[in-house]
Amino acid sequence: EVQLVQSGAEVKKPGESLRISCKGSGYNFISHWIYWVRQLPGKGLEWMGRIDPSDSYTNYSPSFQGHVTLSVDKSISTAFVQWSSLKASDTAIYYCARRPRDWDALDIWGQGTMVTVSS
Amino acid sequence: SSELTQDPAVSVALGQTVRITCQGDSLRIYYASWYQQKPGQAPVLVTYDKNYRPSGIPDRFSGSTSENTASLTITGAQAEDEADYYCCARDSSGDQLLFGRGTKLTVL
Repeated sequence: EVQLVQSGAEVKKPGESLRISCKGSGYNFISHWIYWVRQLPGKGLEWMGRIDPSDSYTNYSPSFQGHVTLSVDKSISTAFVQWSSLKASDTAIYYCARRPRDWDALDIWGQGTMVTVSS
Repeated sequence: SSELTQDPAVSVALGQTVRITCQGDSLRIYYASWYQQKPGQAPVLVTYDKNYRPSGIPDRFSGSTSENTASLTITGAQAEDEADYYCCARDSSGDQLLFGRGTKLTVL
């Protein structure tokens, strides 16, 4: 079964760092882009950025550039998003999703990781 | 333009047909994809490109585009179709991905 499995919920304090993960299985991990999407509580979907697992090329939304870092470890078929200094406004659900190279759509989504940032 | 515009809410009677629309300048260049999201769940791709559906998506879901407007049509809406629907497409530069703000579909 093709799936993306994300790491569990996190509770952090403002200023702390965090890395969450997204592990792909059931397919050739390096043959599909990984996209990250944020959903603030009760709000819509926002694209954060994407990473090519084959060469770690990244492309960020201007809204997230400089605040998050996308990375990948293809040896373990896992993508990551990292924050060096969290803010309360980062409280959200974060989804990873797969984009096949010949489709312009996100066909498989992770289950989401809830991140809560509170003092 | 750097945004996709959707109506916040739409309702449909059970078994009737409903169209959910998405407007944006980049839709003149790029096709939209549509995602269904039910409460507490991750989004699910329902249509993409000209009018393709992933396996497992019922054929009552269809997509289309005319000029700067993409549409998702549900022909014979079912109770289980009640959800939020998001359109998604590249921006006019092709480098960024945009989501619409979502349309809440209520099946009466």
